[in-house]
Amino acid sequence: ELKVEQNPLFLSMQEGKNYTIYCNYSTTSDRLYWYRQDPGKSLESLFVLLSNGAVKQEGRLMASLDTKARLSTLHITAAVHDLSATYFCALHNAGGTSYGKLTFGQGTILTVHP
Amino acid sequence: DTEVTQTPKHLVMGMTNKKSLKCEQHMGHRAMYWYKQKAKKPPELMFVYSYEKLSINESVPSRFSPECPNSSLLNLHLHALQPEDSALYLCASSQALQNEKLFFGSGTQLSVL
Repeated sequence: ELKVEQNPLFLSMQEGKNYTIYCNYSTTSDRLYWYRQDPGKSLESLFVLLSNGAVKQEGRLMASLDTKARLSTLHITAAVHDLSATYFCALHNAGGTSYGKLTFGQGTILTVHP
Repeated sequence: DTEVTQTPKHLVMGMTNKKSLKCEQHMGHRAMYWYKQKAKKPPELMFVYSYEKLSINESVPSRFSPECPNSSLLNLHLHALQPEDSALYLCASSQALQNEKLFFGSGTQLSVL
């Protein structure tokens, strides 16, 4: 069974600082997603990573994937208050009867304060 | 049109009520999904439809009954729910199961009294 673990689960950051959220997973997958969710809202897709060594950047967020280590990172550069949200990584179940299923990590609640 | 539309946005129902959640997309997607998300928890998959056929049922209680009447529409029929079923219900779609681009709707916030 695919397990996805994020850390930290809570992150309080000062504006302007850098930090990294980690996503570890237990079995191989063909794609990894990062989502953002604001309270009471739906999921906003940030990145889809498909292959080992993939790196994607959008604004102050950069995601990377190391399939050998079964690890993805979401790096935040010079945080601003608008980045406050919950961030999820999710893995696609690539085989068997669960093909098509996304398994989510627990989520990281990010708060950026002045 | 790159939207997945869910209605209603909010729903309050009693434990004896019957209600339905609706999800619609007009992107020609052939895979549609229902996820359930409890407060401060990650989304959990309930059902997947592929080409209007039920592909995955994650051992969901029978008080939740999905229906895919055509390729654009996905319903979730609710009957005799429990208060612990209160959650955000998210619909999603993708071109096919193997396609990595997944579109989520804005969700239905359900409260069961």
